[in-house]
Amino acid sequence: AQSVAQPEDQVNVAEGNPLTVKCTYSVSGNPYLFWYVQYPNRGLQFLLKYITGDNLVKGSYGFEAEFNKSQTSFHLKKPSALVSDSALYFCAVRDQAGTALIFGKGTTLSVSS
Amino acid sequence: DAGVTQSPTHLIKTRGQQVTLRCSPKSGHDTVSWYQQALGQGPQFIFQYYEEEERQRGNFPDRFSGHQFPNYSSELNVNALLLGDSALYLCASSRRGPHEQFFGPGTRLTVL
Repeated sequence: AQSVAQPEDQVNVAEGNPLTVKCTYSVSGNPYLFWYVQYPNRGLQFLLKYITGDNLVKGSYGFEAEFNKSQTSFHLKKPSALVSDSALYFCAVRDQAGTALIFGKGTTLSVSS
Repeated sequence: DAGVTQSPTHLIKTRGQQVTLRCSPKSGHDTVSWYQQALGQGPQFIFQYYEEEERQRGNFPDRFSGHQFPNYSSELNVNALLLGDSALYLCASSRRGPHEQFFGPGTRLTVL
């Protein structure tokens, strides 16, 4: 069965520093991977996806993610964090049976000024 | 272009009651999925509708049912509400295939 793990409940970084939010996955076959962000009392906003192709995927708001097949990871990164990046981040994998998304528990990113 | 819209924003019900939540997909999207997000958890897939039929279902009891209309909008119905049904219910729409899903703001359901 497909699954996603986000090993960190919270990540703290200073504004201007690079950030990484970790995600590992378990799937049979080729993975379809996604990152979403959720602000308080809001729905989820799509950041980026990996379907196939380049291992480095660029997305919205300056975020990017690196797909690593050997380590079954899909870490979210940003070269320079902003205070406004503070939010809850979810990694997801597409269910192989269809198009449902299976989400991780989420990682709270806190960027301090 | 309006994104995914959901109504109502908030809802308070008591145990045993029934509730209907509504969702209008993003323009150009024909597939609607529903998710339940409990406090402090990631969203859990409930079911997905395409061409007015339930195409895929997650691990939720039959108390959870849905419908999709010809204009692609959708309803989620929950019968015999339990305290544990209190959650944020998210609707997501997409085009058919391995495309990203776009989420609405959600409906916050509180069961007392």
